Amino acid sequence: DIQMTQSPSSLSASVGDRVTITCRASQNIATSLNWYQQQPGKVPKLLVYGAARLQDGVPSRFSGTGSGTDFALTITSLQPEDFAFYYCQQSYSKWLTFGGGTKVEV
Amino acid sequence: EIQLVETGGNLVQPGESLRLSCAASGLTVSSIDMTWVRQAAGKGLEWISIIYSDGRTYTGDSVKGRFTISRDESNNSVYLQMQSLRAEDTAVYYCARRKKLPATAPYFYYALDVWGQGTTVLVSS
Repeated sequence: DIQMTQSPSSLSASVGDRVTITCRASQNIATSLNWYQQQPGKVPKLLVYGAARLQDGVPSRFSGTGSGTDFALTITSLQPEDFAFYYCQQSYSKWLTFGGGTKVEV
Repeated sequence: EIQLVETGGNLVQPGESLRLSCAASGLTVSSIDMTWVRQAAGKGLEWISIIYSDGRTYTGDSVKGRFTISRDESNNSVYLQMQSLRAEDTAVYYCARRKKLPATAPYFYYALDVWGQGTTVLVSS
């Protein structure tokens, strides 16, 4: 199975900050990498697919980069609703795998 | 409106079985790929199983041999049959649609774009 490693596991930030979360795959997954946001008590929501493509309706302050094994999700100008958990997920293999998650907190 | 509704979660004892259902509206389960993902309390997301539109299924190692995914076109539902349940299977179980998403031709990508609200399974004696 392809292992996905996210870092950091948690970070503290303030409204208006720029935040970057990284995700590393255990093997080359090209750009088959998705990012999800899960607000407290809510269902996961797709933010970015194909490593860099914003899902419809997702604010432009979110952006994704990377290819191969190293990926990043950046949030520019953090908003109050962005304090949440973020998960990367590879869709390269038939056996989907998620990263361990990153908690973005105040 | 596309909606996925999971049911069937319950409190069961270790070793028992349970079947979860995911009823779909606004989409046809036999025409798309559907997955089950679970989340233990305070933990991250764990992919469990997938059934493709062509009927192929794949299951994660942590539940392989114990969990089986299936679908019923007449009920437009996807199921997760869980056997030999363990305490570590305690979690919220979500069903989600795996959708083909647009990219620069000829490429495309797949992601889980619609999720149900989840159903809770508690395995405890």
